[in-house]
This record gives sequence, structure tokens and C-alpha cells, in this order.
Amino acid sequence: GEQVEQLPSSLIVQEGASVLINCSYTDSASVYFPWYKQEPGKRLQFIIDIRSNMERKQTQRLTLLFDKKTKHLSLHITATQPGDSAIYFCSANMNYNQGKLIFGQGTKLSIKP
Amino acid sequence: DPKIIQKPKYLVAVTGSEKILICEQYLGHNAMYWYRQSAKKPLEFMFSYSYQKLMDNQTASSRFQPQSSKKNHLDLQITALKPDDSATYFCASSQGTASAETLYFGSGTRLTVL
Repeated sequence: GEQVEQLPSSLIVQEGASVLINCSYTDSASVYFPWYKQEPGKRLQFIIDIRSNMERKQTQRLTLLFDKKTKHLSLHITATQPGDSAIYFCSANMNYNQGKLIFGQGTKLSIKP
Repeated sequence: DPKIIQKPKYLVAVTGSEKILICEQYLGHNAMYWYRQSAKKPLEFMFSYSYQKLMDNQTASSRFQPQSSKKNHLDLQITALKPDDSATYFCASSQGTASAETLYFGSGTRLTVL
């Protein structure tokens, strides 16, 4: 079945720096890739998504790049703030699966003030 | 202002007992889901429901039984609890069940089985 892998597993950066989180998947049937953020003890919060017919999507300080050939995504966060500290999850959904997201292991991002 | 309410937030149970995890959503969504997050595994899909009908079940054990009394409710009954069932259980919902639907998650029920 589909497998989603995220790297790195953790990241510590100074406030204001940019970060890059990488995600890869295995099944070419995956067509939708939402990303979520989870602050300690809180719910998963949707932050950005991309469909397989797109290469790039940007919202505020987030840019999501998608490469269908290599089955790879990367989330770029610019001008990081302490509120960005959280675990970030990449996920994949296949075109015939209804709401069944396959999640990566998560990337724990810590922003140092 | 949470629109997906999960109760209780924390739950401690003894091995062999039975518990029900409650989930209600007030987003007007037609599809609801259960996911599990444990220390050893990534967040994993358990069930999906659409208009109160089971769409997909990826849970190997029949000890896990979803229950939908209303369109905006999807409870999870777990019987004969085992320590390995210890995890945080997240309820989620979406408008429909198309492949590109955004899922909205509740804040979870953390279950500890002793």
C-alpha cells in the first residue's frame, strides 16, 4: 500500500529563518496531498494542500512544491515565528480512497526566539 | 470555538474493559472518520462513514465498532481493551468523500489502557 515518508524528523531553527520539509510517497495513484500542523496537545490543523495536476501552491509564508515524476513534495516556510513550532504532517490520498489519508511520521519544528 | 467535539479528552481504562469515545461535528459535513495516533506508528486511518453508512474499514479487529446515531455523530466503541490500544484517537469530518476533500480534525481522546 501507499507509504509516505517525511524528512527530517525534527528541525530546530532560529526565528526568522526559512525551513524546508521533504515528503515522498510511493503510490502513483495518490492525487491529493494535504498538510497539517499539530501544536502540542491540540488538533491537527489543515495548512495547505496540492493536487497532482499542480506543481506549486503558495499561501502567505507557505510554499508547497510537487514533483509527480519523483513522487516528492517539499514544504517551504519562510520568516518563521515561534507560533510555527509544531509537528508538520504530510499526507496522501489516492483517487479512489474516500477520506483515507496516509500520513507521514511528521516533522517536529522548533523555532528558537 | 471547536466545531468537532470529542469526549472525553483523556480516558484511562483497565485491560479487558469496554469504552466508548464520543465525536460530534457541527460543520454540517456528510462524512466522518476515525484515525489513531500511537507512539509507535504514524497517524493511521481506521474508519470512514458517509451519510451514516460505513465506507471503509481498515481496522483488523472487530473490537473496534463505530456507531452513528445521527449524521453528525460518530462514536467509537472499543471492547476487550488491550494495552496496545493505548493511543490518541482522532475524529475527523469532511463535506463529502471525494478524493480531494479537506479533513477537519477534533482535538482527540487520549486513551491509556493499564
